[in-house]
Amino acid sequence: AQSVTQPDIHITVSEGASLELRCNYSYGATPYLFWYVQSPGQGLQLLLKYFSGDTLVQGIKGFEAEFKRSQSSFNLRKPSVHWSDAAEYFCAVGPYGGSQGNLIFGKGTKLSVKP
Amino acid sequence: IAGITQAPTSQILAAGRRMTLRCTQDMRHNAMYWYRQDLGLGLRLIHYSNTAGTTGKGEVPDGYSVSRANTDDFPLTLASAVPSQTSVYFCASSPQGVPNYGYTFGSGTRLTVV
Repeated sequence: AQSVTQPDIHITVSEGASLELRCNYSYGATPYLFWYVQSPGQGLQLLLKYFSGDTLVQGIKGFEAEFKRSQSSFNLRKPSVHWSDAAEYFCAVGPYGGSQGNLIFGKGTKLSVKP
Repeated sequence: IAGITQAPTSQILAAGRRMTLRCTQDMRHNAMYWYRQDLGLGLRLIHYSNTAGTTGKGEVPDGYSVSRANTDDFPLTLASAVPSQTSVYFCASSPQGVPNYGYTFGSGTRLTVV
């Protein structure tokens, strides 16, 4: 069955430090992969997506993610974290189910940033 | 500004009451979705619609119904609310059913059933 795992529930990093958020998936074919960010009290905003081609994808706000098929992973990275990056981050995979397909979301990783 | 509008923003509802959460998009997206977000559980799909006139069940459809009479609107109805339906509800849309574009999300409705 398709699934998405975000092993880290909560991560704290210092401002200016590098960041890596982990995402592992289980999927029978080549998946579509996404990272979303949710600020407190807000909806989810798309950071980046992978469909095919170059396995290193660039997104908004200086984020990037690398698709590693052999490890079934799609980890999110940022070289230098800013205080405004404090939020919850969700990895998603699809499509699954139905004739058109939907996304499955991980349970999220909450990022806190220390000054 | 193009996007998704959800209403109400928040609501406290007595158990047993009927409630409709509204969702309207102005992007002419074919596919629309309802998710609920609960602490520690992430987002779970309730219902979806790949195009106007069609709907489908997601992971947690029990106690909820939807309709898709036109492209823009996708209301979610709780026929008889129960406390376990206390959650934050997000409506989302995508240009096509196959989510290669990703989803656009609304700002959510925070529902408390007492």
